[in-house]
Amino acid sequence: QQQVKQSPQSLIVQKGGISIINCAYENTAFDYFPWYQQFPGKGPALLIAIRPDVSEKKEGRFTISFNKSAKQFSLHIMDSQPGDSATYFCAASMGGDDKIIFGKGTRLHILP
Amino acid sequence: KAGVTQTPRYLIKTRGQQVTLSCSPISGHRSVSWYQQTPGQGLQFLFEYFSETQRNKGNFPGRFSGRQFSNSRSEMNVSTLELGDSALYLCASSLKGAHTQYFGPGTRLTVL
Repeated sequence: QQQVKQSPQSLIVQKGGISIINCAYENTAFDYFPWYQQFPGKGPALLIAIRPDVSEKKEGRFTISFNKSAKQFSLHIMDSQPGDSATYFCAASMGGDDKIIFGKGTRLHILP
Repeated sequence: KAGVTQTPRYLIKTRGQQVTLSCSPISGHRSVSWYQQTPGQGLQFLFEYFSETQRNKGNFPGRFSGRQFSNSRSEMNVSTLELGDSALYLCASSLKGAHTQYFGPGTRLTVL
């Protein structure tokens, strides 16, 4: 009920390609879905986030697509660059609760 | 604004010892959360403090404890260390009720 399932575990994409990471959740009480980006030796940093009342949010090359009925959301990275190589975590939280449930992460590698 | 700071950055302990990690949140942030990050389990929520009170707790044994001081700084303590406690321990701060959490660089704990 509290899990957020993330796939794939790892992903290799050519430079300039589109990277797609998918997540699914069960608890319909979740109302905030952030994505975090983590580089080696650093803590995760908020990349982009969405609330379930919108189906898509775009910030630069990063887009979240949200499907409320399917309880799924995904991160699309357009024109992927080697500097995007990092671990990406999807997450979910509810209400004013500061507890965030994270997916297990996707290690993304962009080939130069 | 200075970011979240964690000390120490690296720590080596032996089984059976205890350890205390420290976290200083972003100025003005009153909520501090702690996470354990391991390659196999990803980011797992330990606990969250607000105004010196523990508001949420994850599914970890009682050997893991924490506290928050009046200046919002937080410490976590792990007693009777086990090999499996080797991990990156991350602290994150946020404004009360805000979903956006800001992570520190983490403390890398190695238990020998």
